Amino acid sequence: LAKTTQPISMDSYEGQEVNITCSHNNIATNDYITWYQQFPSQGPRFIIQGYKTKVTNEVASLFIPADRKSSTLSLPRVSLSDTAVYYCLVGDTWAGNNRKLIWGLGTSLAVNP
Amino acid sequence: EAGVTQFPSHSVIEKGQTVTLRCDPISGHDNLYWYRRVMGKEIKFLLHFVKESKQDESGMPNNRFLAERTGGTYSTLKVQPAELEDSGVYFCASSQEQGASGGNEQFFGPGTRLTVL
Repeated sequence: LAKTTQPISMDSYEGQEVNITCSHNNIATNDYITWYQQFPSQGPRFIIQGYKTKVTNEVASLFIPADRKSSTLSLPRVSLSDTAVYYCLVGDTWAGNNRKLIWGLGTSLAVNP
Repeated sequence: EAGVTQFPSHSVIEKGQTVTLRCDPISGHDNLYWYRRVMGKEIKFLLHFVKESKQDESGMPNNRFLAERTGGTYSTLKVQPAELEDSGVYFCASSQEQGASGGNEQFFGPGTRLTVL
């Protein structure tokens, strides 16, 4: 399973767009890129997943360049409630029955008024 | 639809005692996972059930940890005897079967905070 590198922390202000980039140089052909969000005293929550190019849902967008060695989670117009830790995970979520998630320390995003 | 629930939310025990954590996955989810985060460290995988069978228990720290999932519904994680280094937050997650196009979104419970004194 590929290791990921992302910034430890980021600061932003309400209404701004936030982009969190994750590096995964050793991503394998079958690997997907998944982002989770975690609020204090809660379990992680799935945000978005992609394999290549761009994926968008009601919460965020995920940009993946052609070489797939990095990915960027984009949060449009953040609010105070988006303050959380964001995790980038890379792995083959359909590797037979081996679907464990490998976690890094994540990016702690602080949204200020 | 009810999410993943865990009980208790907090547990404080003394070294050498036994503690049992419970996880109720989302109804119909065959896959159940246990993870743990020790303070200041990454979330670490412990084990994975598919229905009642242990599919992957490579993350279990040692034989003081015993996980069960009787009948393929709820799961328990017992620590006996507990040691100081077992303190942390234990998360449970569940997921459905997914097609080969990817997926396997895991739904997490709120966690059980275990403190061993």
